[in-house]
Amino acid sequence: DIQMTQSPSSLSASVGDRVTITCQASQDISNYLNWYQQKPGKAPKLLIYDASNLETGVPSRFSGSGSGTDFTFTISSLQPEDIATYYCQQYDNLPITFGPGTKVDIK
Amino acid sequence: EVQLVESGGGLVQPGGSLRLSCAASGFTFSSYEMNWVRQAPGKGLEWVSYISSSGSTIYYADSVKGRFTISRDNAKNSLYLQMNSLRAEDTAVYYCARSIHQWGWFDYWGQGTLVTVSS
Repeated sequence: DIQMTQSPSSLSASVGDRVTITCQASQDISNYLNWYQQKPGKAPKLLIYDASNLETGVPSRFSGSGSGTDFTFTISSLQPEDIATYYCQQYDNLPITFGPGTKVDIK
Repeated sequence: EVQLVESGGGLVQPGGSLRLSCAASGFTFSSYEMNWVRQAPGKGLEWVSYISSSGSTIYYADSVKGRFTISRDNAKNSLYLQMNSLRAEDTAVYYCARSIHQWGWFDYWGQGTLVTVSS
């Protein structure tokens, strides 16, 4: 199975700050990497697919980059509504695997 | 509007069975692959199973293989998960999720249904 790691596991930032989360795969997954946002008590929401493609309707302050084993997710200007846990997910090989999540809150 | 609504969760004893359903609306269900993804309380996301649009191709996570069965009824716009020989570690919120490009990404999710396995 492909193992996904994320760092940091949690972070606290101020409104307007730039926030960066990294995701690393245990082997080359090309660009088969997606990012989700999950708010407490809610289902996950797709933000980014194929490493860098913004899902329709998702604000442009969210972005993703990377390929191979190393990926980055960025919120360019943190907003109060961005408080959530963010997960990366690979689909290069079955089983599909998710990273452990990064919890983002407001300082 | 795409909607996925899960049902069938509840409390079940270890070794018991449960059947989850997911009712789909707002899109051509028969054209899309579907999945079950679960989340144990306070934990991360775990993919459980995938089924192709026709139902001819099915995959499972090793943790549920041989115990869970995914199926679909395209005439009823419904997805199912039959769960047998349930264990305490199966306790989780179970989400149905539509996927794009086979099991690529999950663009729509249901609200989830909680399954609790406990005596």
